[in-house]
Amino acid sequence: EIVMTQSPATLSISPGERATLSCRASQSVSSNLAWYQQKPGQSPRLLIYGASTRATGIPARFSGSGSGTEFTLTISSLQSEDFAVYYCQHYHYWPPYTFGQGTKLEI
Amino acid sequence: EVQLVETGGGLIQPGGSLRLSCAASGFSVSNNYVTWVRQAPGKGLECVAVIDSGGSTHYADSVKGRFTISRDNPKNTIYIQMNRLRAEDTAVYYCARGSGSLLNWGQGTLVTVSS
Repeated sequence: EIVMTQSPATLSISPGERATLSCRASQSVSSNLAWYQQKPGQSPRLLIYGASTRATGIPARFSGSGSGTEFTLTISSLQSEDFAVYYCQHYHYWPPYTFGQGTKLEI
Repeated sequence: EVQLVETGGGLIQPGGSLRLSCAASGFSVSNNYVTWVRQAPGKGLECVAVIDSGGSTHYADSVKGRFTISRDNPKNTIYIQMNRLRAEDTAVYYCARGSGSLLNWGQGTLVTVSS
């Protein structure tokens, strides 16, 4: 099983600042990597797939990069609605497609 | 508009069985992958089962042999039959369209396994 490790666990940051979230895979997943946002009481929302492609309707301030084992989600200028938990997920091979433990963005 | 609606959650005793349903609209389950993902209270996300467009199924080791994913094409619905439930199966269960990157999600249904 591929283990996904996200850092930091919590990121305290202010609106307008740039946020950089990291995700590391225990072995190469090529570019088979997605990022999700989850707000309290809501279902996750797909932000990025293929490591760097924004899903439909996702604002341009969200960007993804990386390949192999190291990935980054960058939010260029945080808006109040961006404070949430972010998960990375590989889909390189099953079983299973594992998620990271999440990074919480807080003010 | 794509929608997924999960139903069937509730309180069940350890060792019991439960079947969850995922009613889809806006796309056909017969030619899409659908995944069940669960989230234990206060915890992260775990993919537990997927059914592909050809009907093949795949399971996480944690549920293999206990859970069965299936679909009813005329009803455009995906099911997950959960047997021999354990306390550690307590979670919100989501169905999602896709198998890798999960584009559309339902609102989830809570399964609580407790005596």
